[in-house]
Amino acid sequence: DARVTQTPRHKVTEMGQEVTMRCQPILGHNTVFWYRQTMMQGLELLAYFRNRAPLDDSGMPKDRFSAEMPDATLATLKIQPSEPRDSAVYFCASGLGTGVTDTQYFGPGTRLTVL
Amino acid sequence: TQLLEQSPQFLSIQEGENLTVYCNSSSVFSSLQWYRQEPGEGPVLLVTVVTGGEVKKLKRLTFQFGDARKDSSLHITAAQPGDTGLYLCAGDIQGAQKLVFGQGTRLTINP
Repeated sequence: DARVTQTPRHKVTEMGQEVTMRCQPILGHNTVFWYRQTMMQGLELLAYFRNRAPLDDSGMPKDRFSAEMPDATLATLKIQPSEPRDSAVYFCASGLGTGVTDTQYFGPGTRLTVL
Repeated sequence: TQLLEQSPQFLSIQEGENLTVYCNSSSVFSSLQWYRQEPGEGPVLLVTVVTGGEVKKLKRLTFQFGDARKDSSLHITAAQPGDTGLYLCAGDIQGAQKLVFGQGTRLTINP
């Protein structure tokens, strides 16, 4: 049963610390998305990659957030320095196709709390 | 301002009742998707609608895409406790090449 995996599942950190979240997409999928979910804003797209190339990161605060795909089996989202307003659940999703409406398979999320 | 407005935000009904939730926008979408999300999990895709006026059925769930492709509805017949969850609509705005999600409808079905 192929699934997207995310680590860690929970992270509590203090303001100013660096946070790195990792995602392993489903093997063979060529598209990876990063989303953030909060009660106030709902689910927001931060960035997405196709064939490891960044296609859109317009939803990501550039000064503190960075997203990379070192290889086809790993995507990372880094926040440096973290702030309390970054507290949210961060989801990674992967898909196979050429369009954003191709089925996206979501991971279980990383719940981040910044104190 | 949300591009996609979902209503109601919260709905709690008894098992066996019918319900409809709505997803509305002033924008035209190339397609629209419905997801269900359970606590501690990521959203799971239920359906994608593409054509204006399209109706799709998934067991007791009926999805409709508005003729103008600006709105959609999800109707559940004879709701069951297993239908409990957060229902999200997401649209692919024409030309934007990304999905925009609504805030969701949190549905609770009481036994």
